[in-house]
Order: sequence, then structure tokens, then C-alpha cells
Amino acid sequence: DIRMTQSPASLSASLGETVNIECLASEDIYSDLAWYQQKPGKSPQLLIYNANSLQNGVPSRFSGSGSGTQYSLKINSLQSEDVATYFCQQYNNYPYTFGAGTKLELK
Amino acid sequence: EVQILETGGGLVKPGGSLRLSCATSGFNFNDYFMHWVRQAPGNGLEWVAEVRNKNNNYATYYAASVKGRFTISRDDSKSSVYLQVSSLRAEDTAIYYCTRPLYYYDGSLAYWGQGTLVTVSS
Repeated sequence: DIRMTQSPASLSASLGETVNIECLASEDIYSDLAWYQQKPGKSPQLLIYNANSLQNGVPSRFSGSGSGTQYSLKINSLQSEDVATYFCQQYNNYPYTFGAGTKLELK
Repeated sequence: EVQILETGGGLVKPGGSLRLSCATSGFNFNDYFMHWVRQAPGNGLEWVAEVRNKNNNYATYYAASVKGRFTISRDDSKSSVYLQVSSLRAEDTAIYYCTRPLYYYDGSLAYWGQGTLVTVSS
């Protein structure tokens, strides 16, 4: 199975700050990488697919980058509604696997 | 508008079984691969299973942790997908989400139901 190592596990940032979350795959996943946002008590929402494509309706302050085994999610100008847990997911190989999540809080 | 609604969760004893159902609307269900993903309380996400479409012979794929115990299936006439969960263990306790990918064949999961809770306890 492809292991997805996500960091950091938790993050505290101020409003307006830029935030970066990293995801390292145990092997090349050829940009078959998605990022999800999950707010407490809610279902996950797709933010980014194919490593860097923004899902419809997602604010442009979210962006994804990376290739090979290293990927990142960037949130520019952090807003209060961005407080959530973020997960990466690879879909290059079965079984699809997720990172353990990054809990983002406001400082 | 894409809608996904899971039902069938509940409290079940270890070794027991349940059938989870997922009713969908708002898209051409026949075209899409469909997935189940679960989330143990307070934990991360775990992909569980996929069923492909008719053109792909309704092929199925499973996580190793559930293979041989869970069975995913679909009924295109009802735009529904199912997950038969058997030989349940305490570690199967989770919210089970039915999901639709962004593109019919894709692995990026664009649409999620609200989930149905399965609790395995004696």
C-alpha cells in the first residue's frame, strides 16, 4: 500500500497568514493527489484534485502543488472559515490511501 | 444537484451483519464508479471499496482490512449502491460515507453523503 505521510499534524495560524500543509507519498503517485477539508460534524469536501486543480466553488486562496512523491496545500490569507481538518489522498493505486490529517486552528 | 443519502447504519454485535444503502440523484448514476469511505470516531479517513460501472463489468476493489467480509454492489435501475458488512469487529465502528468521484472513472471524491454510523459493540 502507498503510505501518505502528512505534516504537520496540527497547526495554529493567525487570520491573514499563509499556511502550508505537506503530504509525502511512499512512492511516485504521478499527481493523482486530492486534498479535502473537513469541518467538525460535516462530510469532507474536495478542494484540489490532480495535485493542483481547484474544484469548482473553492476559493482561490487555496492552491495545490507538487509532483512525484511530494505535494503541498497552500492557503493564502487565512480566513476564520478555514478552521478545519485537511486530508490528502492518493488515487494512483489501490487501495486509495489518505494522510492522517492536519488540524488547523486559529491562533 | 447531486444528492447522496446513506441509510442502514446502527448498533450491531461483534460478528453481526448490516446492509448499508446509498441512494443517489442528480447525475447519470450508470456512468460513475462509486466508493465507500469510512471514518472511525475522532480518526482519519479510510477508503473501503469501489464498484465500477457496467462498461467495466461492475468490477470491485476493497481495502485489505475489509476484503472477504464486506461486499459492495450497485443497482443502476435504482441509482443506488450498497455495502454488505459482515463478520463485524469493534474496529469497524465508523461513519460510512458513500462518495461519487469528480469524473466517472476518477479517484478524487467530489460528492459525499452525510454518512451513516455503524457501531459494533456487545
